Amino acid sequence: DTGVSQDPRHKITKRGQNVTFRCDPISEHNRLYWYRQTLGQGPEFLTYFQNEAQLEKSRLLSDRFSAERPKGSFSTLEIQRTEQGDSAMYLCASSLVPTPDEKLFFGSGTQLSVL
Amino acid sequence: EDQVTQSPEALRLQEGESSSLNCSYTVSGLRGLFWYRQDPGKGPEFLFTLYSAGEEKEKERLKATLTKKESFLHITAPKPEDSATYLCAVNTNAGKSTFGDGTTLTVKP
Repeated sequence: DTGVSQDPRHKITKRGQNVTFRCDPISEHNRLYWYRQTLGQGPEFLTYFQNEAQLEKSRLLSDRFSAERPKGSFSTLEIQRTEQGDSAMYLCASSLVPTPDEKLFFGSGTQLSVL
Repeated sequence: EDQVTQSPEALRLQEGESSSLNCSYTVSGLRGLFWYRQDPGKGPEFLFTLYSAGEEKEKERLKATLTKKESFLHITAPKPEDSATYLCAVNTNAGKSTFGDGTTLTVKP
């Protein structure tokens, strides 16, 4: 068990550029979640997958955001035409359901700065 | 809409000074209440899951309790290494976790 990996750890981009983040979950986990966190706030739900199926996407999420989990393993989160308000920590988490405690295992996140 | 409110936002304690953190929630169909610890620059780390009112769980200096409307995280005789942000989250039948904004705990030696 190597934990949840996220790449890159840091990303600086200019407004209007597209960015893509990758998440590698714990190998046997069937659920994968994306959250966004800004300073002083808790993680905000973006979307989640069970295997390769995207089961829910936040209603507050702009159409500029898209996520995929093509083979039910790693996932990518793409942000198109980035805006300064997109600056945040993007967290990926995975879990195995059903399990007794349904806990999430988080990666260390990708810190995005939009200039 | 599910809501989770944590208080206080920040808490400063002397080493050995016990205290409690509060998490109040409004959800439809609670499937579990979770406590996580988050250190700066890292993702949250799981501490406890509570499922029903009256349930308690303990780990070292931490004890979590649950009522129908709120949960408490009690910290007994804290040490400087307990300094972190403590996050509360709820799971509902929707399958996702909704988080509060956390309590940032600082324990001074």
